Amino acid sequence: AQSVAQPEDQVNVAEGNPLTVKCTYSVSGNPYLFWYVQYPNRGLQFLLKYITGDNLVKGSYGFEAEFNKSQTSFHLKKPSALVSDSALYFCAVRDRTGANNLFFGTGTRLTVIP
Amino acid sequence: DGGITQSPKYLFRKEGQNVTLSCEQNLNHDAMYWYRQDPGQGLRLIYYSQIVNDFQKGDIAEGYSVSREKKESFPLTVTSAQKNPTAFYLCASKTGTGGLGGANVLTFGAGSRLTVL
Repeated sequence: AQSVAQPEDQVNVAEGNPLTVKCTYSVSGNPYLFWYVQYPNRGLQFLLKYITGDNLVKGSYGFEAEFNKSQTSFHLKKPSALVSDSALYFCAVRDRTGANNLFFGTGTRLTVIP
Repeated sequence: DGGITQSPKYLFRKEGQNVTLSCEQNLNHDAMYWYRQDPGQGLRLIYYSQIVNDFQKGDIAEGYSVSREKKESFPLTVTSAQKNPTAFYLCASKTGTGGLGGANVLTFGAGSRLTVL
């Protein structure tokens, strides 16, 4: 069975500091992995995805994520946080079978403190 | 501009009433999805449809119904059988189905917030 864990409900970081939002996954075979961001009362917006190849994936707004197969992790990172990065972040996984459904983590609320 | 339109944005319902949430997309996407979002629980899949006139139950389909009569439209009905319907509902779509569509990204609507009075 597929699953995603985001171990931190809340992450606080000072503006200008690096940020990390953690994600671990469980899936049979090789996964597709995604990060989405949600601003208040809005739908989710795509940030980045891992399909294959380079383990470091770069996405929108300066975010990047590193796929680590041995640790089954896909942590989201940014070198220098902005106040505007404050939002709810979701990690998601999909397996490569025909079922093709996307499983989401419970979300991590990121607050960047000015 | 292409996208997904959900309506209404806010909806209030009395207990025992059915309500229908609209989802329309002009992206020519094959697959459409309904998710429910509750605080601290992330997104849970209610129903999905990969082609017209076909749909499958997700993880929490009880108390909900859908139809897919047109490629562009995937309305969700929250029935009186849904015991705790107050939530934020998100519609999404993507191109491609099956294994080949696995890497494709979901596009989300802005959501509909349902409150039961």
